[in-house]
Amino acid sequence: DTGVSQNPRHKITKRGQNVTFRCDPISEHNRLYWYRQTLGQGPEFLTYFQNEAQLEKSRLLSDRFSAERPKGSFSTLEIQRTEQGDSAMYLCASSFGGAEETQYFGPGTRLLVL
Amino acid sequence: SQKIEQNSEALNIQEGKTATLTCNYTNYSPAYLQWYRQDPGRGPVFLLLIRENEKEKRKERLKVTFDTTLKQSLFHITASQPADSATYLCALSVNDYKLSFGAGTTVTVRA
Repeated sequence: DTGVSQNPRHKITKRGQNVTFRCDPISEHNRLYWYRQTLGQGPEFLTYFQNEAQLEKSRLLSDRFSAERPKGSFSTLEIQRTEQGDSAMYLCASSFGGAEETQYFGPGTRLLVL
Repeated sequence: SQKIEQNSEALNIQEGKTATLTCNYTNYSPAYLQWYRQDPGRGPVFLLLIRENEKEKRKERLKVTFDTTLKQSLFHITASQPADSATYLCALSVNDYKLSFGAGTTVTVRA
């Protein structure tokens, strides 16, 4: 399968714990995005990487959230000291980059904070 | 403030009919607009892109229109099938890499 993959697919954690999600983009894509989606809403932009450089972070991304993309390949999104409000689907997408952004999404990681 | 609004109600239609979904936006000047399909528990899948200088785009049974004066896009599924049942998301380009998504419209096609 050459699509975007995300792991784990589901994560249940207790409030206050740290969690880390991984995204493997399509190999030739140099752009990588993280989104958050809650029930009944569309995906909300969190952050964007061009190769290994993180070029934009949404105000939604509090200081408890950190994302990395070492060597411009896979990416990780870490949430520290999770809160119940962090419960959501976390989506990763990748793209070639260029004038028109067609983004290819992974299946998402569903996080439940108890 | 910037806003993207899609049909507020879910759409229930009979197989074979045409489904028409709307996407209205305010305080955006998108260079292009995209439509994605999302099935429950899965990530969105790209369907169609239409540029600001294009009025209409087609792909198989799908048709998209884009009116930058009305600030509206219409998405049509003709000869609908139960397999078309899903949530459809409208996404606007904010700049050359960023997309802003609407909340989506859920379509159910009855056999």
